[in-house]
Amino acid sequence: GESVGLHLPTLSVQEGDNSIINCAYSNSASDYFIWYKQESGKGPQFIIDIRSNMDKRQGQRVTVLLNKTVKHLSLQIAATQPGDSAVYFCAEADDAGNMLTFGGGTRLMVKP
Amino acid sequence: DSGVTQTPKHLITATGQRVTLRCSPRSGDLSVYWYQQSLDQGLQFLIQYYNGEERAKGNILERFSAQQFPDLHSELNLSSLELGDSALYFCASSVAGGGTTDTQYFGPGTRLTVL
Repeated sequence: GESVGLHLPTLSVQEGDNSIINCAYSNSASDYFIWYKQESGKGPQFIIDIRSNMDKRQGQRVTVLLNKTVKHLSLQIAATQPGDSAVYFCAEADDAGNMLTFGGGTRLMVKP
Repeated sequence: DSGVTQTPKHLITATGQRVTLRCSPRSGDLSVYWYQQSLDQGLQFLIQYYNGEERAKGNILERFSAQQFPDLHSELNLSSLELGDSALYFCASSVAGGGTTDTQYFGPGTRLTVL
């Protein structure tokens, strides 16, 4: 499959452990944040989102935390599985939510 | 499967040529977005169309253009191609015209290689 960046930061975790992927965003006026997962050879897949009026949102095995004070976003994956291996991108949306600005991505590798 | 389709999956062409990439949004979605993903630039927003009209513009070169047709499919036209245009091109669609929580769903992409 296509490689998505040869020099991405990589997080390597053991299967069953929890993973935390971090992202710093740039625009303090951003109102909406999304995490996407991209597997090799595929397009980005929506995981979870959060609006700026929240600081935490939970999904199935995933939790997103937003710290607006330091402009930081994190994605927590519980009980990480081999199928979670992928590149994870955070994205922020402008006021109109039209244009997504993506972070550089983090490669998650899950060891069996 | 997101429901967004893109054709072709792979495209190989020469410098100076022109190509057209096609995208069909999810059923019911009115907005189509185009993104470019290269190794050194990451995912970059190019342009958005909503119900046939241009809605937002990002880092799209003048050599590139797009349109959205009455049936809501979209085409991205890339002309006078350069080696640096080699990248993955993704289309995404959303229900409305944008705005917070109007989730964008991505297609599988078109891999363009310019030789």
